[in-house]
Amino acid sequence: EVQLVQSGGGLVQPGGSLRLSCAASGFIFGNYWMTWVRQAPGKGLEWVANINEDGSGKNYVESVTGRFTISRDNANNSLVLQMNSLRVEDTAIYYCATGGSGGGWHVHWGQGILVTVSS
Amino acid sequence: DIQMTQSPSSLSASVGDRVIITCRASQSIGKSLNWYQQKSGKAPKILIYTASNLQSGVPSRFSGSGSGTDFTLTISSLQPEDFGTYYCHQSYSLPMTFGQGTRLEIK
Repeated sequence: EVQLVQSGGGLVQPGGSLRLSCAASGFIFGNYWMTWVRQAPGKGLEWVANINEDGSGKNYVESVTGRFTISRDNANNSLVLQMNSLRVEDTAIYYCATGGSGGGWHVHWGQGILVTVSS
Repeated sequence: DIQMTQSPSSLSASVGDRVIITCRASQSIGKSLNWYQQKSGKAPKILIYTASNLQSGVPSRFSGSGSGTDFTLTISSLQPEDFGTYYCHQSYSLPMTFGQGTRLEIK
């Protein structure tokens, strides 16, 4: 069974940092693109970033470029989103997701984790 | 960025009704369009990928069609468990983008 288990969320002040993790199991992690999607409270879904199978290709939505870094450790089946210089508008539930050819769609999702940026 | 516009934003329908949700892209995206269902407090669930392919395990009452800029998600006979919010999602170009969502309520 495919599982994506997320950790690392919480409350942080504006300008602070947070590291989200996504532990994968039940599939060959290194064969799949991985993606982060977020959802602000009461709002719709927003694609944040993705990373290719070997970690050599990374893409970001403009609003997080230069502040967030996506990375992966294929030996340990884990995905990370390092979030720096956090803003109030980064407050959201963050989901890791995977599946689908070339990362084009997301079959499996983590449980979601809340990040709150507030003073 | 490609803008995805769904209509309607919300709807209320009865069990057994045929429901159609539309999604329009601001530029042609071929068939790189996916549909998700999300229930409150849960992660989204994939229903349809690449416009018309039914994800394994999803009931056959769900279907998708379209190409280019105009797409539809059809529920042929609405069931009580189909309530939730539906999102279209384009994977044609980066950044990937989602529609604003369609909230479906069961009468």
